[in-house]
Amino acid sequence: DGGITQSPKYLFRKEGQNVTLSCEQNLNHDAMYWYRQDPGQGLRLIYYSQIVNDFQKGDIAEGYSVSREKKESFPLTVTSAQKNPTAFYLCASSPSDGLSGSSYEQYFGPGTRLTVT
Amino acid sequence: AQSVSQHNHHVILSEAASLELGCNYSYGGTVNLFWYVQYPGQHLQLLLKYFSGDPLVKGIKGFEAEFIKSKFSFNLRKPSVQWSDTAEYFCAVSVNSGSARQLTFGSGTQLTVLP
Repeated sequence: DGGITQSPKYLFRKEGQNVTLSCEQNLNHDAMYWYRQDPGQGLRLIYYSQIVNDFQKGDIAEGYSVSREKKESFPLTVTSAQKNPTAFYLCASSPSDGLSGSSYEQYFGPGTRLTVT
Repeated sequence: AQSVSQHNHHVILSEAASLELGCNYSYGGTVNLFWYVQYPGQHLQLLLKYFSGDPLVKGIKGFEAEFIKSKFSFNLRKPSVQWSDTAEYFCAVSVNSGSARQLTFGSGTQLTVLP
């Protein structure tokens, strides 16, 4: 089955700890994305990566870090600097044509619900 | 930067009623438009998309949306809703501008269909 997997589904951490959320895709997509979903605010982009070893900040990158060492993996670290880390985190991927910069639709994983106390 | 507005935060309908969810965006250039749906406990999935051509696009499960460029709108419609349409619906816009290939989402509309 092709798709995007995120693990774990639920994650609990103490305040002050860094935590890494996993995202893996076997769709052979070039681009990958991390979003944060909060009630009444829709999805907000944290980071995205168009190609291996390259990534760009989204709208709310402060307190987060990412890496893209492999095409199929795009882990997100929520650092202790993130002031309000409790949220639902969604990973997505999309193919890209690499020419005009336009993107196809994004495919989403099941999400990880992070609770920090 | 582009933005997306969904003015209806929560819509409650009875089965067989008609549905229209509003979506307006702000961006003066070429846009790609999407509606995503998130059923309870499921992945966010694509309902329909507009890239170019016919401004009336049809998606899965009987949904359609009309792109009206002059109004910067991309409203979602369904003539007769079912209880299984209960979900959260998100409008999103993507602009073709250099490295900016990300989606900007609206805040979402929760649809509750009463049996």
